[in-house]
Amino acid sequence: DAKTTQPNSMESNEEEPVHLPCNHSTISGTDYIHWYRQLPSQGPEYVIHGLTSNVNNRMASLAIAEDRKSSTLILHRATLRDAAVYYCILRDSANAGGTSYGKLTFGQGTILTVHP
Amino acid sequence: ETGVTQSPTHLIKTRGQQVTLRCSSQSGHNTVSWYQQALGQGPQFIFQYYREEENGRGNFPPRFSGLQFPNYSSELNVNALELDDSALYLCASSLPRGTGQETQYFGPGTRLLVL
Repeated sequence: DAKTTQPNSMESNEEEPVHLPCNHSTISGTDYIHWYRQLPSQGPEYVIHGLTSNVNNRMASLAIAEDRKSSTLILHRATLRDAAVYYCILRDSANAGGTSYGKLTFGQGTILTVHP
Repeated sequence: ETGVTQSPTHLIKTRGQQVTLRCSSQSGHNTVSWYQQALGQGPQFIFQYYREEENGRGNFPPRFSGLQFPNYSSELNVNALELDDSALYLCASSLPRGTGQETQYFGPGTRLLVL
C-alpha cells in the first residue's frame, strides 16, 4: 500500500471547522483514500472514503486534490467528541484474483485536540 | 444489527504462556482481520480470514495463528508469549473485497499485558 504523510497533531476550538491534511504523492490510479478515526479507548471507526471526487457524509467531507496527491478531511463543526487520532489510509481497489485480501495500513495518524 | 464484539476485554499473562482471543463479526460479514496496536502506535495488520482460510498475512511470526468458524467468528492464538506482545488486539469485520462495501468495522479490542 502506498504511504501517506500526516501532521502529528492539530488543535481546534469547539464549534469551529477543522481541516486535516494528508499527503499521498505516490498514490496509484486504483487507490481509494480512506479515513478512519480512533477515539480514546476504542477501536478505529470508519469516517469516509473517496477515489477522485469530493465526498460528503453525515460525519465529514473529503476534499481530494485534482492530481490526487493530497486530500483533506473536513469536520465542519468540531465537537469535544471529535477528539481522536485520525488516520489517512490508501487502499487498492483492484480485486486481485478474486481474493478478499484487503488490509488497512495505518500510519501514526494525526492527534486532534478540541478545546471547549 | 450487532456490531463487532471481542472477548476478553483485558488479559494478563506471563512470558511463555499461550493466549486465545475471540471475535464475533458484524452480522453478514464473512471477512475478519486482526490487528495489533502497541501503545502510541497505529494498528499493525496481523492477518485476515475469509471463508475460514487465512487470506493474507502481515509481518508476524508463525506463533501468531488464527481460526475462522462457519459462523464467521474468529480466534487469534499467540503461543510462547513475549513481553513485546503486550498490546491492544483489534478485530475488524467486513464484506469481501470487490463488493464495493469493504469498510472494516472494528471491535473495542482486547488489551493484553505480558509480564
